[in-house]
Formats: sequence, C-alpha cells, structure tokens
Amino acid sequence: GAGVSQTPSNKVTEKGKYVELRCDPISGHTALYWYRQSLGQGPEFLIYFQGTGAADDSGLPNDRFFAVRPEGSVSTLKIQRTERGDSAVYLCASSPGLTKLNEQFFGPGTRLTVL
Amino acid sequence: DAKTTQPPSMDCAEGRAANLPCNHSTISGNEYVYWYRQIHSQGPQYIIHGLKNNETNEMASLIITEDRKSSTLILPHATLRDTAVYYCIVRGWSNAGNMLTFGGGTRLMVKP
Repeated sequence: GAGVSQTPSNKVTEKGKYVELRCDPISGHTALYWYRQSLGQGPEFLIYFQGTGAADDSGLPNDRFFAVRPEGSVSTLKIQRTERGDSAVYLCASSPGLTKLNEQFFGPGTRLTVL
Repeated sequence: DAKTTQPPSMDCAEGRAANLPCNHSTISGNEYVYWYRQIHSQGPQYIIHGLKNNETNEMASLIITEDRKSSTLILPHATLRDTAVYYCIVRGWSNAGNMLTFGGGTRLMVKP
C-alpha cells in the first residue's frame, strides 16, 4: 500500500517568507509526527498529533512554527518569517494508533532551504 | 527516556555479519530498545525492538544483555544496500506521547 508522502520534496525560500509543508499519512493511521533533521544529525521531534489534536507540541522551537491536522488525516506544518537556521529536512511519520509501541512509518521528507 | 551511546561509524565487508553495539546503562524496567535505520536521502525505517528477550525478524536480530544495559543489532549477511545510519533508541511507556528520541547513530558502511 501507499506509504507516507510529503510535498514538496524540496522547497527553497527567502528569509522572512512563509512556507507550508504537507504530510499525507498512511490511510487509517491516527497518530502523526513531525521531526526536523539538520545535516549530520538525527531527527528531532517537533509535534505529535493523535487524531485532530496536537497531543504534544513541546518540540516546536518557537511560535513561528505551527502545525494543523484538521480532519485527522493530512497535516500541514507552517513556518512564518523563515530564518536561515530553519533550513533542514522536515520528516513526517505516522503510526496506527494508541498503542505506544507502534512503529512509526516515515515519509521521505521535505528539504527546506532558506536563503 | 534513557540515553544511548553508539559508535559514530563502522565498516563491514559485504556478506559478513554486521554487529552494531549500543549502550543504554540507564535504561529502566519498562523501557524498550528500538532500532531504526536511515538510508541516504530517505526517512528512517523501523528494524526491530525488544524488551529483554532476544528478538529476530526478517531484517535483523537483536541481542539484549541480561542486565539490559547494552544491546547489539545483528545484520547476519550485510549487503551494500544495508549501508545506512543505524539508530538505537530507548523508548519508555509514557503518557506524554511516543515520539522517538534519536541520537547520532552509527554510520555503517558495507564494502564490497
């Protein structure tokens, strides 16, 4: 079946601009996660949704970052007033449900470059 | 979640077993050991997880020491496609959510 998809695969923007990154999870998966990965480092957690609600947003670095999942499926990560330090690969993952040991299925990521 | 320590890099000859170590000396009784890997330009991929018993699946084997302070991921016959960064993650049973906490991982290079 289809895996987690993310669009766009690459995004180049200018400092100060607004960007939206989209994640389509595996159908039926109720949990959705966003991570950010800087060059040479492991992914860092940003936010976790269970259904439509953000269950944990403790990883969001500041209030320029926001994410939504209005219908409990597709999620959008929104970054306002982008800065060069926001450049990274943004990864989305989904998992089947509330069982805490469920494996997470990752998408290929969106590479964001802020000039 | 407990912290893990892994060597930054390892080499392995194609066709040989790759043994990737991980130290997690502060692991608590209800924390599991997970392994993920990340092939270049792809998202991480789940490999295996365990609590205290050794585990095996079609991808790998996981050996956890009796005191649970360390573990080894074994790829029995490494291929060039196994070249990737391997992450050992200790994950607790927490109501705070089940995000994964990645460290630096081990960069495994499988050579012909």
